[in-house]
Amino acid sequence: EAQVTQNPRYLITVTGKKLTVTCSQNMNHEYMSWYRQDPGLGLRQIYYSMNVEVTDKGDVPEGYKVSRKEKRNFPLILESPSPNQTSLYFCASSFGTPMSSYNSPLHFGNGTRLTVT
Amino acid sequence: TQLLEQSPQFLSIQEGENLTVYCNSSSVFSSLQWYRQEPGEGPVLLVTVVTGGEVKKLKRLTFQFGDARKDSSLHITAAQPGDTGLYLCAGTSGSARQLTFGSGTQLTVLP
Repeated sequence: EAQVTQNPRYLITVTGKKLTVTCSQNMNHEYMSWYRQDPGLGLRQIYYSMNVEVTDKGDVPEGYKVSRKEKRNFPLILESPSPNQTSLYFCASSFGTPMSSYNSPLHFGNGTRLTVT
Repeated sequence: TQLLEQSPQFLSIQEGENLTVYCNSSSVFSSLQWYRQEPGEGPVLLVTVVTGGEVKKLKRLTFQFGDARKDSSLHITAAQPGDTGLYLCAGTSGSARQLTFGSGTQLTVLP
């Protein structure tokens, strides 16, 4: 089954304790992206990757890191989490870039709810 | 960053009623997508519109892209409880490699 898998689904942590949220897709997609979703703000892009070893900042990259060493995996790293990073996080992938999105819709994972105390 | 504004933010209606959700921007988009998100899940693509003035129908859902490609609407006919969810519009422009999302419309259809 074609899917984007995020882990964990729920995570509660404390300020400053490094954490990684994993994302894996089995569709051989080139484009992958991380979003955070907050009430009233919709989905805001954190980082995206056009292909292996190619990553770029989205609209809200501060406090986050990503890597794309393999095509299927795109982990999100919070080196020193803070309470304002409490949010619902989504990983997504598509065959092509958003500019060609009419042929390559984004496929989303089921989300990771992160709470930083 | 281009901004997409959706209205209304919340909508609660009775089963069988019709409704329209709007997505507006001051920027021109090369394409616009509509997604639906249910609790505990990620958004799922409903439709992509590309041409100004384009109208697409998906059963009881009708999507329209404005002539100037700055706005879009989603019309649902005879809403059903299964239509309940968060509806998100998202657009791409020729100068960006990102998909910009609106803040969403939370629709509740009461039986």
